[in-house]
Amino acid sequence: DADVTQTPRNRITKTGKRIMLECSQTKGHDRMYWYRQDPGLGLRLIYYSFDVKDINKGEISDGYSVSRQAQAKFSLSLESAIPNQTALYFCATDSGGAGDTQYFGPGTRLTVL
Amino acid sequence: KNEVEQSPQNLTAQEGEFITINCSYSVGISALHWLQQHPGGGIVSLFMLSSGKKKHGRLIATINIQEKHSSLHITASHPRDSAVYICAVSRNQFYFGTGTSLTVIP
Repeated sequence: DADVTQTPRNRITKTGKRIMLECSQTKGHDRMYWYRQDPGLGLRLIYYSFDVKDINKGEISDGYSVSRQAQAKFSLSLESAIPNQTALYFCATDSGGAGDTQYFGPGTRLTVL
Repeated sequence: KNEVEQSPQNLTAQEGEFITINCSYSVGISALHWLQQHPGGGIVSLFMLSSGKKKHGRLIATINIQEKHSSLHITASHPRDSAVYICAVSRNQFYFGTGTSLTVIP
């Protein structure tokens, strides 16, 4: 089984709709992240959480919110989706140890019409 | 200003060629990471380096801490190496380069 899972894998929605992307991890890590990837821009950090009670904004948090329901679960919400939120979204986790690698989910391809 | 810069952005090679992808960074780091993203989108970690050199099969990664520079080499390239290679650095969080899209032609 994959260490990090994301649902849904693909989603097409309309402008103004509320969307939730879910992420679960089995690594037992405290730290979880949400990134978006756009062509030519690389991965950009939306939100991150270093433990269940800790939520932090990344560089592009406007228009997004998150919920850390448990150590293993971290959800990303788009309260009112807009077309420029069309992107590939990745969840990731790491242990926070110096130099530890990040483990990525398979990605969610979101299209906002 | 990007903390991590990669070059080239795109690279096409003939099967069997030796390939080098470069990464420069501007911040103090705990480690440097090379990631591979296949056309399906999934991202996997290839290497994590804090000094020197690592080798895994046909892939070699090097880092020069003083110059803040790393290279990823692929020897005897193969079409299955076609992917996007992403350089990232970590300290309190991760910073990513924009990736190098590699196409290896048979």
